[in-house]
Amino acid sequence: SAVISQKPSRDICQRGTSLTIQCQVDSQVTMMFWYRQQPGQSLTLIATANQGSEATYESGFVIDKFPISRPNLTFSTLTVSNMSPEDSSIYLCSSRAGRSSYNEQFFGPGTRLTVL
Amino acid sequence: SQQGEEDPQALSIQEGENATMNCSYKTSINNLQWYRQNSGRGLVHLILIRSNEREKHSGRLRVTLDTSKKSSSLLITASRAADTASYFCATSANAGGTSYGKLTFGQGTILTVHP
Repeated sequence: SAVISQKPSRDICQRGTSLTIQCQVDSQVTMMFWYRQQPGQSLTLIATANQGSEATYESGFVIDKFPISRPNLTFSTLTVSNMSPEDSSIYLCSSRAGRSSYNEQFFGPGTRLTVL
Repeated sequence: SQQGEEDPQALSIQEGENATMNCSYKTSINNLQWYRQNSGRGLVHLILIRSNEREKHSGRLRVTLDTSKKSSSLLITASRAADTASYFCATSANAGGTSYGKLTFGQGTILTVHP
């Protein structure tokens, strides 16, 4: 199984500021994903972080608000820009353990963001 | 968009009892995975069942998949207080295309096991 770490684990931020969340995987992976979990809700995919190319965003999410970097096969960052209280959520990164479509997908411990 | 529906939304049982959670989905899938989340923390992977499998076991967990009904169930036997958590199903679409590798989550079931 892949071991995924995230930093920071939690943060409290002021409206209008930005926060960058880091995700590190203990092995090289082709695909990394970023999800958001709003309070009391399920998880929603924000984007797929592609190594060597721009991230692919889901409907309702845009690069200006959630810029993503993927400099190598083990690391990615998600920035939450110009934050508002509505951005208060848990942000989780995820990757699949191998190349097969039947490989399990693992998640980091999440970053709990509170925007005041 | 969320394609999964889970029921019940909340389940409260006594230690030692079995807990069954159900998940339905709408489109063809490659596989379905179940996760546990404790108190808004990270997701713990429980089990993956492939679209060509009907049943899978892991310890006290038993997962079934009925692709004709587009539904899955998770059974936890002999539950413990430590099983108290939220449980989510997540589907992965068939390989290929823009949906490859993405997970679509159900709304989750909150399980409370009373000691």
